[in-house]
Amino acid sequence: NAGVMQNPRHLVRRRGQEARLRCSPMKGHSHVYWYRQLPEEGLKFMVYLQKENIIDESGMPKERFSAEFPKEGPSILRIQQVVRGDSAAYFCASSPLTIVQGQNTDTQYFGPGTRLTVL
Amino acid sequence: GESVGLHLPTLSVQEGDNSIINCAYSNSASDYFIWYKQESGKGPQFIIDIRSNMDKRQGQRVTVLLNKTVKHLSLQIAATQPGDSAVYFCAESLYSGGGADGLTFGKGTHLIIQP
Repeated sequence: NAGVMQNPRHLVRRRGQEARLRCSPMKGHSHVYWYRQLPEEGLKFMVYLQKENIIDESGMPKERFSAEFPKEGPSILRIQQVVRGDSAAYFCASSPLTIVQGQNTDTQYFGPGTRLTVL
Repeated sequence: GESVGLHLPTLSVQEGDNSIINCAYSNSASDYFIWYKQESGKGPQFIIDIRSNMDKRQGQRVTVLLNKTVKHLSLQIAATQPGDSAVYFCAESLYSGGGADGLTFGKGTHLIIQP
C-alpha cells in the first residue's frame, strides 16, 4: 500500500508567481489535510477536505491560498502571487473514512512534503 | 486558540537508555493525542496514539502516558537506538465522531542519541 504522495518535493518560485502543490492520499483514504511547517517549528493546520468538499479551512490565510480535492485526481493546494513569507514546507496527510484493516479513522498519515522556496 | 506545548526543546540521552519526552496540552476538550517522529527532510511519521478514555498505551519499544488531570502527555522510548534521533511532536485533536479534525501540533523536542 503506497503512502501519501506529494509532488513536487521541491518548488522554487519568484515573488508574484503561482505555486501548485499536489497530494495523492493513501489508497482507500478520503480525508485530506494540509499543514504548513516553518523552520524549527511544529506543523500548523491549514485545511481539511473530503472529496469535492472543504470541511474546515480555519487555518487557511484569507487571501491567495486555496485548496481543492476533486472527485478524480489529487488534492491541490494553490498559492497565488507568492511572497517570501510563504517559504515553508507544506505537508499533506490523509486518513480513512472508516476503520480499514485496523486503522483508526482519526489517524493521519503524512506525505514527504513539498519544500517551497520563494525568491 | 489553545495549543499544545512541550517542556524541553532538546533531549540528549545515551544509546541504550530510556527516553522520556513530555508534552503539555491546554485544550481540556481534546479527545485524541498522537506522537509523531520527524527526521530531517521528511514528513512526520506516526508512532503511537491514545484516546482520552485511556491513560496508557504501549507499542513496540514505546509507551504513551496520558494524565488528564494535569493535561500532560509523555512518550517513553525504551532502549534508545541511533535511529531514534529525530524531532518528536505531540499533537491533539477533538474527536468529531464522524470523521477527523485538523491536528494541533506542539513545537517539537529534538532527541539526540549519544553513542
